[in-house]
Amino acid sequence: DSGVTQTPKHLITATGQRVTLRCSPRSGDLSVYWYQQSLDQGLQFLIQYYNGEERAKGNILERFSAQQFPDLHSELNLSSLELGDSALYFCASSAGQGRGETQYFGPGTRLLVL
Amino acid sequence: QQQVKQSPQSLIVQKGGISIINCAYENTAFDYFPWYQQFPGKGPALLIAIRPDVSEKKEGRFTISFNKSAKQFSLHIMDSQPGDSATYFCAAIWGVGFGNEKLTFGTGTRLTIIP
Repeated sequence: DSGVTQTPKHLITATGQRVTLRCSPRSGDLSVYWYQQSLDQGLQFLIQYYNGEERAKGNILERFSAQQFPDLHSELNLSSLELGDSALYFCASSAGQGRGETQYFGPGTRLLVL
Repeated sequence: QQQVKQSPQSLIVQKGGISIINCAYENTAFDYFPWYQQFPGKGPALLIAIRPDVSEKKEGRFTISFNKSAKQFSLHIMDSQPGDSATYFCAAIWGVGFGNEKLTFGTGTRLTIIP
């Protein structure tokens, strides 16, 4: 158990809908990262937050947004969902004290868009 | 743009053998190279990592070999066991400063250890 929790575990929705994925980092970790894992694209970095502020952006679509709250939990919002958004979404956290830190991954949310 | 190339895509090794997975990178700004292990239905978990000023790092049966001039690094699993069957991802990290770093993953290698 990495100490990172993600909810829900599974999510089934329809195209055009909006969903919110939630992540609670390990106790004391300030950085939260979101990743998308699909069969054809592998693991893709989406976005990073550090202590409430956006710090780095990867291949995140404009339909997707995220935020980190004062209690350090984070939410990833996916809107106008398309079939191709079906994937595993992972959250990871790190202490945020420097580069090259270990990122601890949560168990993921499996999203299926029908 | 894929910045970390990983091979092979899948690998079958007999129990007790050596599993070798290779990765190559292009961006010389990368300065930390972790390997992650992922079991089905689970998130990736850090296995071992290396910095480019070191040519080799060993932890138990797992060894990373790093060739900075060739921009290549590899994972060796000695005495491979069925419990090692998983997907392995190499990765590379770069960042512009404190609390700002990007982790780029390779495409993954599905390792199967057969009895």
